[in-house]
Amino acid sequence: DIQMTQSPSTLAASVGDSVTITCRASQSLSLRLAWYQQKPGKPPILLISDASTLESGVSSRFSGSGSGTEFTLTIRSLQPADFATYYCQQYNTYSFTFGQGTRLEIK
Amino acid sequence: EEYLVESGGGLVKPGGSLRLSCAASGFTFLTYSMNWVRQAPGRGLEWVSSISNGGHYIYYTDSLKGRFTISRDNAENSLYLQMNSLTAADTAVYYCTRSKKAYADPDYAFDLWGQGTLVTVSS
Repeated sequence: DIQMTQSPSTLAASVGDSVTITCRASQSLSLRLAWYQQKPGKPPILLISDASTLESGVSSRFSGSGSGTEFTLTIRSLQPADFATYYCQQYNTYSFTFGQGTRLEIK
Repeated sequence: EEYLVESGGGLVKPGGSLRLSCAASGFTFLTYSMNWVRQAPGRGLEWVSSISNGGHYIYYTDSLKGRFTISRDNAENSLYLQMNSLTAADTAVYYCTRSKKAYADPDYAFDLWGQGTLVTVSS
């Protein structure tokens, strides 16, 4: 199975900051990677698919990049609603592995 | 608007069985592959199983060892997960999800999620 490693596990930032979360895959995914946001007690929301395609209705402050085995999610100008946990997920193989999550906290 | 609503969760004893259901509305269910994803309390997300739109192609995470069965009824716009020989490790919120691309295999991002149903395995 493909292993997905997110870093950092926890990230503290302030409103207005920009942050970057990294996701590394144990083998090449081409562009078959998604990013999700999850808030406590709620289901995840798809933010980005195919590594960099922003989903409809998602703020343009979110952006994704990368290919192969290394991917990043960048959030510009953090807003209070952005403080949540973020997961990457590969869908290149039928193990659909998720990263362990990055908890974005208010500094 | 598009919805997925799970039901069937609850408390079950180790070794017991449970059948989860997911009712879909607001979109053409029979054109989409569907999936189950679970999340143990305080933990991350784990893909469980996927089924193609026509039900002909089915996939499971290796760790299930044949205990779970995914199925769907396109006439009823419903997805199911039959879970047998449950253990404490199966305790989780189970989410029903849709694969993003219609008329395609399940291997796309999950663009629609239900609210989840909690399964607790405990004596």
